[in-house]
Amino acid sequence: RKEVEQDPGPFNVPEGATVAFNCTYSNSASQSFFWYRQDCRKEPKLLMSVYSSGNEDGRFTAQLNRASQYISLLIRDSKLSDSATYLCVVNGPGGYQKVTFGTGTKLQVIP
Amino acid sequence: GAVVSQHPSRVICKSGTSVKIECRSLDFQATTMFWYRQFPKKSLMLMATSNEGSKATYEQGVEKDKFLINHASLTLSTLTVTSAHPEDSSFYICSATPGTSADTQYFGPGTRLTVL
Repeated sequence: RKEVEQDPGPFNVPEGATVAFNCTYSNSASQSFFWYRQDCRKEPKLLMSVYSSGNEDGRFTAQLNRASQYISLLIRDSKLSDSATYLCVVNGPGGYQKVTFGTGTKLQVIP
Repeated sequence: GAVVSQHPSRVICKSGTSVKIECRSLDFQATTMFWYRQFPKKSLMLMATSNEGSKATYEQGVEKDKFLINHASLTLSTLTVTSAHPEDSSFYICSATPGTSADTQYFGPGTRLTVL
């Protein structure tokens, strides 16, 4: 089983739609979880951290399910500018600072 | 926010030559820097972790003699790809963190290496 798994997509959604991505992780000892956004041929940028209680930032909501070892990202009212690849990132194994990236889920928002 | 720069942004070289990539934290001191490689349509793969003043820790399968990492100061880490071959062509990205917290990794813009 991969350390971090994501559905590569692409997810093609119309503007204004709500879309959700899941990501599963294998290391039950992982403590930190993040969603990054990566535009084509650019570096990843932190979108949001994922807390145990879940967190929301505007149109974006992240949830953590430790029992099932997955995290989710929900995007409401999709904008064209949301088109990107969303990377799930989990810390460990191998130390607190090391993180493992998922392969990313590609989102394409269509006018 | 914290800014990390990389230089060069793009390099094309002949097979057998060496290429040095610099990663700088511009407005903070980076105790730890990470080097990643990303192949097309693949995720970032951690190559090595470097702490200022000590030897880098390489991930399994990454040749330390081929990918030389030097983290001589708290604001600069370099990755040298020695005797580059076409299969080394990739997008190399560094990240830097000012402390021990995993959620403060700041990424450089990346260097696209093409080996002919």
